Amino acid sequence: QKEVEQDPGPLSVPEGAIVSLNCTYSNSAFQYFMWYRQYSRKGPELLMYTYSSGNKEDGRFTAQVDKSSKYISLFIRDSQPSDSATYLCAMSPGGYNKLIFGAGTRLAVHP
Amino acid sequence: NAGVTQTPKFQVLKTGQSMTLQCAQDMNHNSMYWYRQDPGMGLRLIYYSASEGTTDKGEVPNGYNVSRLNKREFSLRLESAAPSQTSVYFCASRTGTGANTEAFFGQGTRLTVV
Repeated sequence: QKEVEQDPGPLSVPEGAIVSLNCTYSNSAFQYFMWYRQYSRKGPELLMYTYSSGNKEDGRFTAQVDKSSKYISLFIRDSQPSDSATYLCAMSPGGYNKLIFGAGTRLAVHP
Repeated sequence: NAGVTQTPKFQVLKTGQSMTLQCAQDMNHNSMYWYRQDPGMGLRLIYYSASEGTTDKGEVPNGYNVSRLNKREFSLRLESAAPSQTSVYFCASRTGTGANTEAFFGQGTRLTVV
């Protein structure tokens, strides 16, 4: 069983929709949770970062972490065609440098 | 700013051949990583180096070796390439001073083993 599970999609939504992306994990040592965005034929880039449980908002993006359920989410409001990309969750144990990624969810936002 | 530079960008190998993928970063980061990305599998950690002089296995280390040549450079070697190693390889670096720091990625190396 992989330490981080993520539905690879693809997910197709109309412009303006609210998008929900999710990951589950099995390693209770994970304390740092990140979302990366990857455009086609490019390297991933950090989108949001959250420590432990709670919510974090940045513009149209909201990241949620529920450590009791080992479940993290990324919400995108008012989705735009430019949001079309692959979204990868990533996690890291506290005080340790290993960084583990989910499979990535491919999102397509159509006009 | 160069950031993380990978060479080569593309490579075709025959089964059994060897090659080394090069990675260099100019951000004075302590930690460096090698990942492979396959369709539907996301990024899988091959090896990482938490600091100069140390290396550790990741999720899928079999068939690979690494060398942390100095603080800037982290190379990945395939001693005897197999078709199962056809993939896109990404190198990344982080400051390593905390597990919450951002990882910066190179542009990737597309490797095909025939």
